[in-house]
Amino acid sequence: DAGVIQSPRHEVTEMGQEVTLRCKPISGHNSLFWYRQTMMRGLELLIYFNNNVPIDDSGMPEDRFSAKMPNASFSTLKIQPSEPRDSAVYFCASSSGLFTGELFFGEGSRLTVL
Amino acid sequence: GENVEQHPSTLSVQEGDSAVIKCTYSDSASNYFPWYKQELGKRPQLIIDIRSNVGEKKDQRIAVTLNKTAKHFSLHITETQPEDSAVYFCAASNTGNQFYFGTGTSLTVIP
Repeated sequence: DAGVIQSPRHEVTEMGQEVTLRCKPISGHNSLFWYRQTMMRGLELLIYFNNNVPIDDSGMPEDRFSAKMPNASFSTLKIQPSEPRDSAVYFCASSSGLFTGELFFGEGSRLTVL
Repeated sequence: GENVEQHPSTLSVQEGDSAVIKCTYSDSASNYFPWYKQELGKRPQLIIDIRSNVGEKKDQRIAVTLNKTAKHFSLHITETQPEDSAVYFCAASNTGNQFYFGTGTSLTVIP
């Protein structure tokens, strides 16, 4: 398996623009997580899905952030409108959801909002 | 919700020495404690984990200990090598689905 695949790897955009980050989890994994990593806050859980259903989105910072998982092999994290404080590395991770424990992370999407 | 605290935030050791990173958690229902290593510019990867029915687990130079009563767990790296330099994250989970991470420890091994 190719692992968790994220795109884009790098995104530079201007304040106010819409940003869409994409994730393809490992085939067969039914739990998907979006994390944000910054120097100040470390790894923050934004939202996670189980069987394509959002289970906990309490970590989503505000209404500008939204996430979807239309099917088992694809998820998006959207920021609209983007702000400079959204600059961070966004990681997608998946797990089999059977309490095997291991989270498999993608390579991350580094977002810079100017 | 769960709150995981991790110390120290930075750690420098001489090659060959041991390194210890400590974490505490708040939710007594947490029962799974993984450790992730993140090399510069790369993704976090699992290096070792422990479940609440075990007090200690070892894998070559890496060991993790868990004290459920005190709600803390630690990562021990012996005979450190330059390639151990990375950021290490502890985490706690009570469902296997939701993981709460510590803020990370940047370990530097000085040759």
